[in-house]
Amino acid sequence: AQTVTQSQPEMSVQEAETVTLSCTYDTSESNYYLFWYKQPPSRQMILVIRQEAYKQQNATENRFSVNFQKAAKSFSLKISDSQLGDTAMYFCAFMSLFGNEKLTFGTGTRLTIIP
Amino acid sequence: EPEVTQTPSHQVTQMGQEVILRCVPISNHLYFYWYRQILGQKVEFLVSFYNNEISEKSEIFDDQFSVERPDGSNFTLKIRSTKLEDSAMYFCASSTLAGGTGELFFGEGSRLTVL
Repeated sequence: AQTVTQSQPEMSVQEAETVTLSCTYDTSESNYYLFWYKQPPSRQMILVIRQEAYKQQNATENRFSVNFQKAAKSFSLKISDSQLGDTAMYFCAFMSLFGNEKLTFGTGTRLTIIP
Repeated sequence: EPEVTQTPSHQVTQMGQEVILRCVPISNHLYFYWYRQILGQKVEFLVSFYNNEISEKSEIFDDQFSVERPDGSNFTLKIRSTKLEDSAMYFCASSTLAGGTGELFFGEGSRLTVL
């Protein structure tokens, strides 16, 4: 069974600074998807960024980028030029590539951006 | 922008009562999911649903749980006889494609409190 670990329950950073959220996972599979989801207070979870394990290039979405280290089973999220609207709970998640539609989530990191 | 909507936002019920949580997925989506999050714990997969049948379910999704799409728009989760440990936030999600290839869109959640 897959597991996802987020070791930082809470983080805070000054507005405009860069912050990195950590995520490690465990799986015996070689092909899979990894995700970062953001859940603002009292709002839906929304997808921030997705990485296919077979792609070596790290995914980027504007100010959001990942550092995917497949051998180390590490998938960190970097938020550059952080904004007040980035304040949210961030979840790292794993999904198998074949025949398995479930997301396995980490426990989340509560990120606060300080004005 | 299309959204997944869930009702009720909060339901309080007595142990042993039946509860139905409702979801309206995004209209052109084909895959539907329920997840739950017990307070302070991980978001956990319950069930996935496609083509009017369950495609996968977790160990949590026992005989007390059922899902259906009665009218082509709503997607419901029924808990037949609630237990205290069913108290959680329940999230509905939908996607256009299966698994990691399709982005999951989540609703805001329905908080269930079992007394």
